Amino acid sequence: EPEVTQTPSHQVTQMGQEVILRCVPISNHLYFYWYRQILGQKVEFLVSFYNNEISEKSEIFDDQFSVERPDGSNFTLKIRSTKLEDSAMYFCASRRGTGAYQETQYFGPGTRLLVL
Amino acid sequence: AQSVTQLGSHVSVSEGALVLLRCNYSSSVPPYLFWYVQYPNQGLQLLLKYTTGATLVKGINGFEAEFKKSETSFHLTKPSAHMSDAAEYFCAVRNNAGNMLTFGGGTRLMVKP
Repeated sequence: EPEVTQTPSHQVTQMGQEVILRCVPISNHLYFYWYRQILGQKVEFLVSFYNNEISEKSEIFDDQFSVERPDGSNFTLKIRSTKLEDSAMYFCASRRGTGAYQETQYFGPGTRLLVL
Repeated sequence: AQSVTQLGSHVSVSEGALVLLRCNYSSSVPPYLFWYVQYPNQGLQLLLKYTTGATLVKGINGFEAEFKKSETSFHLTKPSAHMSDAAEYFCAVRNNAGNMLTFGGGTRLMVKP
């Protein structure tokens, strides 16, 4: 069964450093997402991406964040200058399309980011 | 705006007992509703979803949930808990005009032998 994959599974970085989190969505999916979960808190939406552009973003997704689909298979989240409060589990998700039968977002296993 | 409330951050049941995890939502438009499960150190796995049609939906591992519009609820149940059901469960809502999922705070289910 196809699945969303994410690399790395864990990343430790120093405050102020740039990190890139990578995701490979399910191959025939059209909508891509990033969510994050700070330890002990809710899963929060960051950004959605469709047709090579951001379709929606939350207040969390400020200028320090960017997303890219560089090659038709990978979907990346870049944090330019990490802060301590960026420490969280980051989940990538993808969805096939529109309509009631294509509504499910499939999640990857997550990347645990620790900023020191 | 939409929101999700899960009553009870921790629920403990005995093996073989009924599991009931509560979820209430608010949405200004007809919602799509989801339950996801997260096992330790793993990602989010879809248990079941409601989009349209029958209000009682069945999912994997013997779980089911009923959409009750009048109560704005989508509670998750399982008749008989198994040790392997111990995990964190998340209810989520997406309105059919939007794009993002809004999650509840999660309920950690513990199953006692």
